Amino acid sequence: GQSLEQPSEVTAVEGAIVQINCTYQTSGFYGLSWYQQHDGGAPTFLSYNALDGLEETGRFSSFLSRSDSYGYLLLQELQMKDSASYFCAVRDHNAGKSTFGDGTTLTVKP
Amino acid sequence: DAGVIQSPRHEVTEMGQEVTLRCKPISGHDYLFWYRQTMMRGLELLIYFNNNVPIDDSGMPEDRFSAKMPNASFSTLKIQPSEPRDSAVYFCASGPRTPAGEQYFGPGTRLTVT
Repeated sequence: GQSLEQPSEVTAVEGAIVQINCTYQTSGFYGLSWYQQHDGGAPTFLSYNALDGLEETGRFSSFLSRSDSYGYLLLQELQMKDSASYFCAVRDHNAGKSTFGDGTTLTVKP
Repeated sequence: DAGVIQSPRHEVTEMGQEVTLRCKPISGHDYLFWYRQTMMRGLELLIYFNNNVPIDDSGMPEDRFSAKMPNASFSTLKIQPSEPRDSAVYFCASGPRTPAGEQYFGPGTRLTVT
């Protein structure tokens, strides 16, 4: 089976940098994804890491260490609109499905 | 593309009634997923299809839940009979066959069973 751990809540101020961690225990691993969900909305895909290292997409970056079963999402130059829930998700090696973590609620304050 | 389309957006029904949720995936996507989201249980995968074939339904709570995908453009999730504990937001998502396995979620159906 799969289990993922991420902090339930994170608070930061506008303009700051915040890191949301995700550790996982899986029977199979293909890659780690991140999704953003605004209150009342649907999850939207942010990034994917299959290999160790950092992937950068604008203000957002995602990191993976397969040996440590660990990844993080880094958000820079925080804006109020970044207030949302962020989910890490592990893709099962065997198929197209992913297991989602419980999500981290990010609150950005002015 | 219009994205994943779900209907209805909101459904209020009484306990014991049948509920049918509908989903139109993004054209060309191989995978279709049904999720349920609640505050208590988070985002749960109920079932997913690959090329219209159900692959894993281990997340379906019980026999009251059933899902079908008669063609590449349409899927349904049915609850019969419904119970108050089924109240949740139900998301349909579709995804292409890519290494990232990214999923594109529909807007969801908010189901309330009274």
